[in-house]
Order: sequence, then structure tokens, then C-alpha cells
Amino acid sequence: QKEVEQNSGPLSVPEGAIASLNCTYSDRGSQSFFWYRQYSGKSPELIMFIYSNGDKEDGRFTAQLNKASQYVSLLIRDSQPSDSATYLCAVNEDSSYKLIFGSGTRLLVRP
Amino acid sequence: SAVISQKPSRDICQRGTSLTIQCQVDSQVTMMFWYRQQPGQSLTLIATANQGSEATYESGFVIDKFPISRPNLTFSTLTVSNMSPEDSSIYLCSVEDLRDEQFFGPGTRLTVL
Repeated sequence: QKEVEQNSGPLSVPEGAIASLNCTYSDRGSQSFFWYRQYSGKSPELIMFIYSNGDKEDGRFTAQLNKASQYVSLLIRDSQPSDSATYLCAVNEDSSYKLIFGSGTRLLVRP
Repeated sequence: SAVISQKPSRDICQRGTSLTIQCQVDSQVTMMFWYRQQPGQSLTLIATANQGSEATYESGFVIDKFPISRPNLTFSTLTVSNMSPEDSSIYLCSVEDLRDEQFFGPGTRLTVL
């Protein structure tokens, strides 16, 4: 059973802080890694993807991938209350198009 | 990214009935998928909607319960058949672009009484 694990949270950080969201996965064949943001009552929105080991930065977001440790993370710098949402980690199954989603981490940014 | 619409956005249905959900994309896409998100849970892939052939279902999902049509590269339907309260969920279609990124429609919130 291929799995993607996330801490359900809530992760509470003050406004302006760095929020660090973590995800581990079991499928060593996975090649593509995605972070989705889901506001309550809304559908998931793709915010970051990463394919190679290391860091990838996009604005206030940085995705980090370590395939040896089967670990992917999302850092949100200068967190804003509008970042409060559930963040879903998704991993493709064994280089296929199929995505396996984690259960999500709820982030709460306190004003 | 592609613009995806779903109809209906929500519905309340009686046990034993069926509901067909439509997904429309504003551009041609090869890959379309249907997901379910049960209350408080993450997303589970139901099936891949294949244009011109039968859908590919994931373990635990069968065609008799979730028939899918994909008549062209911009449209698909998912039917939830013979519904029970356990089918209450959000149903989402998604499409994959040329960069292998998946984008989701707004979802259909289904409540079965």
C-alpha cells in the first residue's frame, strides 16, 4: 500500500513567521511531487511542484525534496492570515500519472 | 492552466437515486480524472476517464456504481448510482496539462439522505 504521510496539525504560526510543512512518502519510484492548498469549502489549488532533489523557490514558497529520505517539504515565508488553509502533499505513483494524496496539514496563521 | 467547470455545484439526493455530474474544460486535454473527497478526508482517485474507451477504475470503485463517459477531449460525466448516505462526499474532476500538473474543478458537493 503506497502511502503519503502528513501531520494533520493544526500548525499554528504567528503572522510573518516561516511555516514548515512536511510530507513523507513510501513509493521510491515516485518522480513528481506536488503541494496543493485547499481553503475550506473549496477545491485544491496547485501551488508548487518539484521533480529534482534540492530546493525550488516561487515567491514566498519553497519546496524541498530529498528522494533518499523520501521526504518533501513546503516552507512559507512571511506567513499571512490568508495562508490559513489545508496543505495537501501529492506524489505520483511509480512514475505514472496517478497521484496519491496525503491527508493534509491544516495551517493557521495568527494575526 | 485550463479552466474547469462542474455541474451541479451541489445537490441533495434521496437514497436509491442516481446523480450525473458534468465536467467541462475550456481546452482539449488528454487526461481527465475523477476524485472523491469524503468529509474531513483527503482525495481518493475514483477513475481515469479515457476518451473513446472505458474508464480505468481504481481498486474499490466499479463501473456499475460510478459509470463514466468521456465523449471528447473537453467533457466528461460521472454518475453516482443507487446512492446511499455513504456516498455523501465532494466529487472533483481534474485534468493534467502538458507539464504533468493536475488542476481541479470546483467540485460537486453531494448529500444523500
